[in-house]
Amino acid sequence: LAKTTQPISMDSYEGQEVNITCSHNNIATNDYITWYQQFPSQGPRFIIQGYKTKVTNEVASLFIPADRKSSTLSLPRVSLSDTAVYYCLVGDNAGNMLTFGGGTRLMVKP
Amino acid sequence: EAGVTQFPSHSVIEKGQTVTLRCDPISGHDNLYWYRRVMGKEIKFLLHFVKESKQDESGMPNNRFLAERTGGTYSTLKVQPAELEDSGVYFCASSPGGIREARTYGYTFGSGTRLTVV
Repeated sequence: LAKTTQPISMDSYEGQEVNITCSHNNIATNDYITWYQQFPSQGPRFIIQGYKTKVTNEVASLFIPADRKSSTLSLPRVSLSDTAVYYCLVGDNAGNMLTFGGGTRLMVKP
Repeated sequence: EAGVTQFPSHSVIEKGQTVTLRCDPISGHDNLYWYRRVMGKEIKFLLHFVKESKQDESGMPNNRFLAERTGGTYSTLKVQPAELEDSGVYFCASSPGGIREARTYGYTFGSGTRLTVV
C-alpha cells in the first residue's frame, strides 16, 4: 500500500481557503486518493475521493496533478467547525482496507 | 438513514477479563471493517467482512481477538483475555458492495468504542 506524507498541522482563520497537500510518490495505477476528516471522539468521515485531475463536491475540492504523486485537498472558506484532523489515504477502490497515516491537524481560528 | 452504530461507547475492564464490542453497520452494506487506534498510534486496520465471510483478517493482532458477523448483519469483536496493550479506540466502518458507491460515499465509520484495560 502506498505511503502518504502530510504536514502534521496547519493553522488558518475563518473565511480563508485552506489547501492541504499530500504526497504519495509510490501510488499505483489502480490506486484512488481519498480524504477523511475526523473530529475528537468521532470516527473518520469521508470527504472526497478522486483518481486524476479535479473532483469537487459540496464540501471540498481535490486537485490531482498528472503524475498523481501528490494531491491537494481544498476547503473553501473554512469555519471554526472545520477544526479537525484530515487524513489522506491511497489505495484501490475494491472495498479493500484503508491505511491511515498521521493526518494533518487543522486549527481554524476566529 | 441511521449511521454505523457501535456499542458500548466506553468500556473499562480489568486485565484478564473478556469484552465484546458490537457494531451495527448501515443496513444493506455488505462490507464491514474493524479498525483500532491504540494510544498515540495511527488508526490500524483489523479485519474486513464481506457479508458474513472474513475477506481479510491480516490486521488482527493475535488469537485473543475474535470477530464474527453471523447472518451478515451486525458484527461483534471479542477480546479474551484482555491485556493492557489492548486499550484504545475501536472503530467499525461499513461500505456498500458497489465500486461506484464506495467512490462516492467512501466508508462510513461509527463513533468508536473506547476500551480501557486496567
